[in-house]
Amino acid sequence: AQSVSQHNHHVILSEAASLELGCNYSYGGTVNLFWYVQYPGQHLQLLLKYFSGDPLVKGIKGFEAEFIKSKFSFNLRKPSVQWSDTAEYFCAVNSYSGGYQKVTFGTGTKLQVIP
Amino acid sequence: EPEVTQTPSHQVTQMGQEVILRCVPISNHLYFYWYRQILGQKVEFLVSFYNNEISEKSEIFDDQFSVERPDGSNFTLKIRSTKLEDSAMYFCASSERGQYTFFGQGTRLTVV
Repeated sequence: AQSVSQHNHHVILSEAASLELGCNYSYGGTVNLFWYVQYPGQHLQLLLKYFSGDPLVKGIKGFEAEFIKSKFSFNLRKPSVQWSDTAEYFCAVNSYSGGYQKVTFGTGTKLQVIP
Repeated sequence: EPEVTQTPSHQVTQMGQEVILRCVPISNHLYFYWYRQILGQKVEFLVSFYNNEISEKSEIFDDQFSVERPDGSNFTLKIRSTKLEDSAMYFCASSERGQYTFFGQGTRLTVV
């Protein structure tokens, strides 16, 4: 069975600080990896995804993530955070079975950016 | 950008009552899902639905739960007799074959 671990539950940063959120996964097959963001009171929004190819993927709003297969990791990074990045971030892995998908989420990391 | 829409955004119901959560998936998607997030916990898979059948369901999805696609656009989750522990945010989602999953904004269900 697949699983996802996020190591940081709550992160507080000042504006302009750099961000790195850890994510490790376990899954026996080919992985598709995702980061979702949930702004306060809003829906889950896809931040970026990795399916194959270049292990460094760029997403919206200046976020990027690096897939390191040997470490089973998919850490999220941003060089300089803004107050508007305050949200909860979920790492997720996707498995396919006969066409439909099942997304397994990590427990989430609450990011608070202080102006 | 296409969206999965859910109604209502917040529903309060009394314990033991039936509740129906409604969703309109993205129009050309064929796979539909419900996920749940209890406050402070992670988002959990409940059920997937394709071709008018349940494809997979989790242990959480017991006989109190059912899903239906009553027409060509709606996808519903029914909880027959709600319990306090059903209080959660329920996310509807949809996808095309081989593509990533789009999530709705969620319905917050409060059982009192």
